[in-house]
Amino acid sequence: EAGVAQSPRYKIIEKRQSVAFWCNPISGHATLYWYQQILGQGPKLLIQFQNNGVVDDSQLPKDRFSAERLKGVDSTLKIQPAKLEDSAVYLCASSTVVGELFFGEGSRLTVL
Amino acid sequence: GDSVTQMEGPVTLSEEAFLTINCTYTATGYPSLFWYVQYPGEGLQLLLKATKADDKGSNKGFEATYRKETTSFHLEKGSVQVSDSAVYFCALGYQGGSEKLVFGKGTKLTVNP
Repeated sequence: EAGVAQSPRYKIIEKRQSVAFWCNPISGHATLYWYQQILGQGPKLLIQFQNNGVVDDSQLPKDRFSAERLKGVDSTLKIQPAKLEDSAVYLCASSTVVGELFFGEGSRLTVL
Repeated sequence: GDSVTQMEGPVTLSEEAFLTINCTYTATGYPSLFWYVQYPGEGLQLLLKATKADDKGSNKGFEATYRKETTSFHLEKGSVQVSDSAVYFCALGYQGGSEKLVFGKGTKLTVNP
């Protein structure tokens, strides 16, 4: 069974530039999550989708972050414009059972 | 709000040593509790879980018991191996609603041969 795929693995941009991350969840997983993991901290939920509807985006900085999940499968997370404090690993996860998340390897963003 | 506190790392042990990683939580309801593990170069993966008080989760020789009276979910293993070297995350979550997980900061374990 293929796991959660994410790209790119690494991205370096300058502040005020934009960046997009892509995630392909495990086939058949209706729930998709984007987490932000800053160095030395645990993952923090940014947004949760159930199929293509948003369940929770209470911690998403909506002035600069956006996410979509077209057709209830792939998802894209965008940051525009990026700030220095956005440097982090962006983790995508999918699940079918509450709490049992399958994570991708993450996309590491460095903002200079 | 809900939160998870883990013991500070890093933790360094010799092979076959006993492992305990402490985890305590603050919750507004009755959450399920989880341990996730991140091996070098890999994504986080579920190690074990417990859904109610006094439940014991176990997997790969690791165990953790859901203690409501002490709001704890400590991870233990009787004899660690070099291959157990990883970062361990304690987390809580609820069924229903957003079902999101709240993670601790993680504890890095290094096991030396």
